[in-house]
Amino acid sequence: GESVGLHLPTLSVQEGDNSIINCAYSNSASDYFIWYKQESGKGPQFIIDIRSNMDKRQGQRVTVLLNKTVKHLSLQIAATQPGDSAVYFCAEMGAFIIQGAQKLVFGQGTRLTINP
Amino acid sequence: AAGVIQSPRHLIKEKRETATLKCYPIPRHDTVYWYQQGPGQDPQFLISFYEKMQSDKGSIPDRFSAQQFSDYHSELNMSSLELGDSALYFCASREGGGNSPLHFGNGTRLTVT
Repeated sequence: GESVGLHLPTLSVQEGDNSIINCAYSNSASDYFIWYKQESGKGPQFIIDIRSNMDKRQGQRVTVLLNKTVKHLSLQIAATQPGDSAVYFCAEMGAFIIQGAQKLVFGQGTRLTINP
Repeated sequence: AAGVIQSPRHLIKEKRETATLKCYPIPRHDTVYWYQQGPGQDPQFLISFYEKMQSDKGSIPDRFSAQQFSDYHSELNMSSLELGDSALYFCASREGGGNSPLHFGNGTRLTVT
């Protein structure tokens, strides 16, 4: 069945250092992947996405890597800041078949703490 | 930029009562999703709508129902509330076709006492 999981539930990083959050997924048919950031009391906030025909995508201070061979996804955050402290979720979506019928499946979150 | 609006932000109900949660998607987004998130858990998919028709169904109890209206807003109706229904309920919207991210509201925190 579909499942998306994370290797570590918590991660602490010194401010200014780089962080890497990992995610493993089991559905080889997954076609689209998204990383979300969730702060306390707020909804998941879109960070970056990647399609299955890519293996790397960069944003502002963030990079997502996709390894389809081992079904692994990672989020790299460069030069971490206190505001990066949050729970990070990876999520996957299946291939487009029917208009509007794609659902997003979340993995277990990783709580990232940035230490001053 | 306009975001997904959910109301109310907080709701307290007693067991066996009913609750209605509302969601106003981003303008021009035609697909709406509902998710439930328990404490320390990842969001769990409940149900989705595309162009006012149910498009997919997840782990939504039979006591819950939802619909999307002509103006694309959606409502989640919850009846015979149980203590275990206490959770954050998120609505998300996106443009229906192809690969595009879901954009989430800030949720409704439902507490059942």
